Amino acid sequence: SQQGEEDPQALSIQEGENATMNCSYKTSINNLQWYRQNSGRGLVHLILIRSNEREKHSGRLRVTLDTSKKSSSLLITASRAADTASYFCATDTVGSGNTPLVFGKGTRLSVIA
Amino acid sequence: KAGVTQTPRYLIKTRGQQVTLSCSPISGHRSVSWYQQTPGQGLQFLFEYFSETQRNKGNFPGRFSGRQFSNSRSEMNVSTLELGDSALYLCASSLAGGGGYNEQFFGPGTRLTVL
Repeated sequence: SQQGEEDPQALSIQEGENATMNCSYKTSINNLQWYRQNSGRGLVHLILIRSNEREKHSGRLRVTLDTSKKSSSLLITASRAADTASYFCATDTVGSGNTPLVFGKGTRLSVIA
Repeated sequence: KAGVTQTPRYLIKTRGQQVTLSCSPISGHRSVSWYQQTPGQGLQFLFEYFSETQRNKGNFPGRFSGRQFSNSRSEMNVSTLELGDSALYLCASSLAGGGGYNEQFFGPGTRLTVL
Protein backbone atom coordinates (compact mmCIF):
# COMPACT_ATOMS: atom_id res chain seq x y z
CA SER A 1 0.00 0.00 0.00
CA GLN A 2 1.16 3.54 -0.70
CA GLN A 3 2.30 5.55 2.28
CA GLY A 4 3.35 8.68 0.46
CA GLU A 5 1.32 10.49 -2.15
CA GLU A 6 3.06 13.00 -4.39
CA ASP A 7 1.36 16.05 -5.76
CA PRO A 8 1.11 17.02 -8.54
CA GLN A 9 1.19 13.81 -10.56
CA ALA A 10 2.78 15.68 -13.44
CA LEU A 11 4.48 19.04 -13.76
CA SER A 12 5.76 20.85 -16.84
CA ILE A 13 7.95 23.94 -16.54
CA GLN A 14 10.42 26.02 -18.56
CA GLU A 15 14.13 25.72 -18.04
CA GLY A 16 15.28 28.14 -15.38
CA GLU A 17 12.03 28.03 -13.41
CA ASN A 18 11.66 26.45 -10.01
CA ALA A 19 9.81 23.17 -9.53
CA THR A 20 8.00 22.25 -6.34
CA MET A 21 6.70 18.78 -5.58
CA ASN A 22 4.79 17.77 -2.50
CA CYS A 23 4.48 14.53 -0.62
CA SER A 24 1.92 13.62 2.01
CA TYR A 25 2.07 10.49 4.12
CA LYS A 26 -0.21 8.75 6.55
CA THR A 27 1.65 7.40 9.55
CA SER A 28 4.41 8.71 11.78
CA ILE A 29 7.86 8.33 10.31
CA ASN A 30 11.49 8.22 11.32
CA ASN A 31 12.84 9.41 8.00
CA LEU A 32 11.71 10.60 4.58
CA GLN A 33 13.75 10.25 1.42
CA TRP A 34 13.45 11.66 -2.08
CA TYR A 35 14.54 9.76 -5.17
CA ARG A 36 14.73 10.54 -8.87
CA GLN A 37 14.09 8.07 -11.68
CA ASN A 38 14.93 8.69 -15.30
CA SER A 39 12.60 6.98 -17.77
CA GLY A 40 12.28 3.38 -16.58
CA ARG A 41 15.73 3.13 -15.03
CA GLY A 42 16.91 2.68 -11.48
CA LEU A 43 16.27 5.26 -8.80
CA VAL A 44 18.86 7.74 -7.60
CA HIS A 45 18.86 8.95 -4.02
CA LEU A 46 18.55 12.72 -3.63
CA ILE A 47 18.07 13.60 0.03
CA LEU A 48 17.25 11.93 3.34
CA ILE A 49 15.58 14.06 6.00
CA ARG A 50 15.02 12.84 9.53
CA SER A 51 11.83 13.43 11.47
CA ASN A 52 13.54 15.90 13.80
CA GLU A 53 14.76 18.03 10.89
CA ARG A 54 12.68 20.69 9.22
CA GLU A 55 14.74 21.62 6.19
CA LYS A 56 17.66 20.28 4.25
CA HIS A 57 19.61 21.54 1.24
CA SER A 58 21.71 19.79 -1.38
CA GLY A 59 22.91 21.90 -4.29
CA ARG A 60 19.82 23.14 -6.14
CA LEU A 61 17.53 20.95 -4.03
CA ARG A 62 15.69 22.02 -0.91
CA VAL A 63 13.54 19.64 1.09
CA THR A 64 11.21 20.61 3.90
CA LEU A 65 9.43 18.35 6.33
CA ASP A 66 6.38 19.17 8.42
CA THR A 67 5.63 16.23 10.68
CA SER A 68 2.55 17.90 12.15
CA LYS A 69 0.99 17.99 8.70
CA LYS A 70 2.64 14.73 7.61
CA SER A 71 3.98 16.38 4.50
CA SER A 72 7.21 17.17 2.71
CA SER A 73 8.15 19.28 -0.26
CA LEU A 74 11.00 19.09 -2.75
CA LEU A 75 12.06 22.30 -4.44
CA ILE A 76 14.37 22.26 -7.45
CA THR A 77 15.66 25.71 -8.22
CA ALA A 78 16.79 26.97 -11.64
CA SER A 79 15.65 23.75 -13.32
CA ARG A 80 17.47 22.26 -16.28
CA ALA A 81 16.35 19.93 -19.06
CA ALA A 82 18.41 17.21 -17.36
CA ASP A 83 16.08 17.43 -14.33
CA THR A 84 13.34 15.84 -16.43
CA ALA A 85 12.49 12.67 -14.50
CA SER A 86 10.02 11.17 -12.04
CA TYR A 87 10.49 12.10 -8.41
CA PHE A 88 9.42 9.86 -5.55
CA CYS A 89 9.19 10.33 -1.84
CA ALA A 90 9.75 7.30 0.35
CA THR A 91 9.04 6.87 4.03
CA ASP A 92 9.61 4.34 6.71
CA THR A 93 7.24 3.81 9.62
CA VAL A 94 7.82 4.36 13.29
CA GLY A 95 7.88 1.00 14.94
CA SER A 96 10.19 -1.72 16.08
CA GLY A 97 13.24 -2.28 13.99
CA ASN A 98 14.20 -1.15 10.54
CA THR A 99 10.95 -0.93 8.59
CA PRO A 100 11.09 -1.02 4.78
CA LEU A 101 10.73 2.05 2.62
CA VAL A 102 7.31 2.73 1.14
CA PHE A 103 7.25 4.80 -2.03
CA GLY A 104 4.64 7.15 -3.39
CA LYS A 105 3.57 7.01 -7.03
CA GLY A 106 5.76 9.92 -8.01
CA THR A 107 5.64 13.26 -9.77
CA ARG A 108 6.64 13.33 -13.43
CA LEU A 109 8.60 16.50 -14.07
CA SER A 110 9.19 17.78 -17.58
CA VAL A 111 11.61 20.66 -18.01
CA ILE A 112 11.31 22.27 -21.41
CA ALA A 113 14.40 23.89 -22.91
CA LYS B 1 33.30 1.54 -6.76
CA ALA B 2 31.04 -0.41 -9.09
CA GLY B 3 27.33 0.23 -8.70
CA VAL B 4 24.53 -2.24 -8.19
CA THR B 5 24.23 -4.60 -11.13
CA GLN B 6 21.22 -6.61 -12.17
CA THR B 7 20.99 -9.42 -14.67
CA PRO B 8 19.41 -9.94 -17.03
CA ARG B 9 18.27 -6.47 -18.04
CA TYR B 10 15.37 -7.72 -20.13
CA LEU B 11 13.44 -10.95 -20.00
CA ILE B 12 10.45 -12.34 -21.84
CA LYS B 13 8.63 -15.34 -20.41
CA THR B 14 5.28 -17.03 -20.88
CA ARG B 15 2.60 -17.66 -18.31
CA GLY B 16 3.31 -20.59 -16.06
CA GLN B 17 7.07 -20.42 -16.41
CA GLN B 18 9.41 -19.43 -13.64
CA VAL B 19 12.16 -16.84 -13.62
CA THR B 20 15.25 -16.02 -11.57
CA LEU B 21 16.65 -12.52 -11.37
CA SER B 22 20.06 -11.68 -9.99
CA CYS B 23 21.42 -8.67 -8.13
CA SER B 24 25.00 -7.87 -7.15
CA PRO B 25 25.17 -5.12 -4.52
CA ILE B 26 27.86 -2.52 -4.08
CA SER B 27 30.93 -4.04 -2.50
CA GLY B 28 30.63 -3.96 1.28
CA HIS B 29 26.86 -3.54 1.32
CA ARG B 30 25.14 -6.24 3.32
CA SER B 31 21.52 -5.33 2.70
CA VAL B 32 19.67 -6.06 -0.54
CA SER B 33 16.05 -5.07 -1.09
CA TRP B 34 13.82 -5.93 -4.02
CA TYR B 35 10.99 -3.84 -5.43
CA GLN B 36 8.42 -4.35 -8.15
CA GLN B 37 7.45 -1.32 -10.21
CA THR B 38 4.32 -1.24 -12.38
CA PRO B 39 2.40 1.70 -13.86
CA GLY B 40 -0.68 0.81 -11.84
CA GLN B 41 0.74 -0.02 -8.42
CA GLY B 42 3.94 2.00 -8.48
CA LEU B 43 6.95 0.82 -6.50
CA GLN B 44 6.14 -1.98 -4.10
CA PHE B 45 8.49 -3.59 -1.63
CA LEU B 46 9.04 -7.30 -2.10
CA PHE B 47 11.63 -8.29 0.51
CA GLU B 48 14.91 -7.39 2.12
CA TYR B 49 17.86 -9.61 2.88
CA PHE B 50 20.60 -8.78 5.33
CA SER B 51 23.53 -11.09 5.92
CA GLU B 52 21.72 -13.98 4.19
CA THR B 53 18.58 -13.60 6.33
CA GLN B 54 15.25 -12.30 5.14
CA ARG B 55 14.60 -9.33 7.40
CA ASN B 56 11.40 -7.90 5.93
CA LYS B 57 8.80 -9.12 3.50
CA GLY B 58 6.17 -7.24 1.55
CA ASN B 59 2.65 -8.30 0.73
CA PHE B 60 3.27 -10.59 -2.21
CA PRO B 61 2.16 -14.19 -2.76
CA GLY B 62 4.45 -17.10 -1.99
CA ARG B 63 5.30 -17.42 -5.70
CA PHE B 64 7.79 -14.64 -5.05
CA SER B 65 10.85 -15.76 -3.15
CA GLY B 66 14.41 -14.71 -2.72
CA ARG B 67 17.70 -15.54 -1.17
CA GLN B 68 21.04 -13.97 -0.41
CA PHE B 69 24.42 -15.58 -0.64
CA SER B 70 27.43 -15.19 1.62
CA ASN B 71 28.96 -12.65 -0.79
CA SER B 72 25.74 -10.55 -0.44
CA ARG B 73 24.62 -11.27 -3.99
CA SER B 74 20.90 -11.88 -4.11
CA GLU B 75 18.46 -13.68 -6.34
CA MET B 76 14.73 -13.48 -6.54
CA ASN B 77 12.54 -16.12 -8.06
CA VAL B 78 9.02 -15.94 -9.37
CA SER B 79 7.29 -19.22 -10.05
CA THR B 80 4.18 -19.88 -12.11
CA LEU B 81 4.34 -16.53 -13.82
CA GLU B 82 1.16 -14.55 -14.40
CA LEU B 83 0.52 -11.71 -16.84
CA GLY B 84 0.34 -9.32 -13.90
CA ASP B 85 3.94 -10.10 -12.97
CA SER B 86 5.11 -8.04 -15.93
CA ALA B 87 7.05 -5.23 -14.32
CA LEU B 88 10.37 -3.57 -13.73
CA TYR B 89 12.10 -5.37 -10.87
CA LEU B 90 14.51 -3.18 -8.98
CA CYS B 91 17.16 -4.20 -6.55
CA ALA B 92 18.69 -1.80 -4.04
CA SER B 93 21.61 -2.21 -1.71
CA SER B 94 22.65 -0.34 1.37
CA LEU B 95 25.41 -0.51 3.91
CA ALA B 96 23.41 -1.30 6.99
CA GLY B 97 19.78 -1.83 6.17
CA GLY B 98 16.97 -1.40 3.71
CA GLY B 99 14.78 0.85 5.76
CA GLY B 100 14.41 4.56 6.02
CA TYR B 101 17.60 5.22 7.98
CA ASN B 102 19.87 4.51 5.06
CA GLU B 103 20.34 5.69 1.51
CA GLN B 104 19.43 2.99 -0.97
CA PHE B 105 21.52 2.45 -4.08
CA PHE B 106 19.43 1.09 -6.91
CA GLY B 107 20.39 -1.05 -9.85
CA PRO B 108 19.09 -0.39 -13.38
CA GLY B 109 16.37 -3.00 -13.02
CA THR B 110 15.23 -6.08 -14.90
CA ARG B 111 12.31 -5.54 -17.23
CA LEU B 112 10.19 -8.70 -17.15
CA THR B 113 7.49 -9.23 -19.74
CA VAL B 114 5.10 -12.14 -19.31
CA LEU B 115 3.20 -13.20 -22.42
